[in-house]
Amino acid sequence: GQSLEQPSEVTAVEGAIVQINCTYQTSGFYGLSWYQQHDGGAPTFLSYNALDGLEETGRFSSFLSRSDSYGYLLLQELQMKDSASYFCAVRDPVGDSNYQLIWGAGTKLIIKP
Amino acid sequence: NAGVTQTPKFQVLKTGQSMTLQCAQDMNHNSMYWYRQDPGMGLRLIYYSASEGTTDKGEVPNGYNVSRLNKREFSLRLESAAPSQTSVYFCASSKIPGQPNEQFFGPGTRLTVL
Repeated sequence: GQSLEQPSEVTAVEGAIVQINCTYQTSGFYGLSWYQQHDGGAPTFLSYNALDGLEETGRFSSFLSRSDSYGYLLLQELQMKDSASYFCAVRDPVGDSNYQLIWGAGTKLIIKP
Repeated sequence: NAGVTQTPKFQVLKTGQSMTLQCAQDMNHNSMYWYRQDPGMGLRLIYYSASEGTTDKGEVPNGYNVSRLNKREFSLRLESAAPSQTSVYFCASSKIPGQPNEQFFGPGTRLTVL
């Protein structure tokens, strides 16, 4: 079957660094995406990794290891506005899923002052 | 550019009523998607349209129908609403068929079925 696992909740302190992990089990793999969703809002795209390694976009970085079926989102210099849910999503090109993303259940990031 | 727009923002239905959720995008994207999100959960794909003129079922299509009216518009219809369809519905679009990795989402429709 196809599944993505990520922690349900992570707590961190303002100004700190936090890592949100995502492991996936899919028949095929065409890339790992990360989305942010604030309470009551819509998901917004953060990053996409198709190849192994680290992609950096400002305070946010995303890492992928295809051999380990694992990725993470790294948030640095945490700000209160980073309090949100973070979703990983995988594109699995096998079968009927070619045009779809498979989504994780989301990680709620709680930031304390 | 408005991006992806959805109407209505809120809706309350009685069991058995029907309604259509509207979605439009002005980014000239080829692919469009309908998701539902239940409290504290991730997104589940209802239907998608890889390109104009095509629609396909997603993970949870039962009780829904869709129409890709043109390249801009993709509507979702509930023929006979049920309380289990109480959810937040998001429409999304992506530029290239077969590359759903970067999707742009509308603000959502919050639907309650009594």
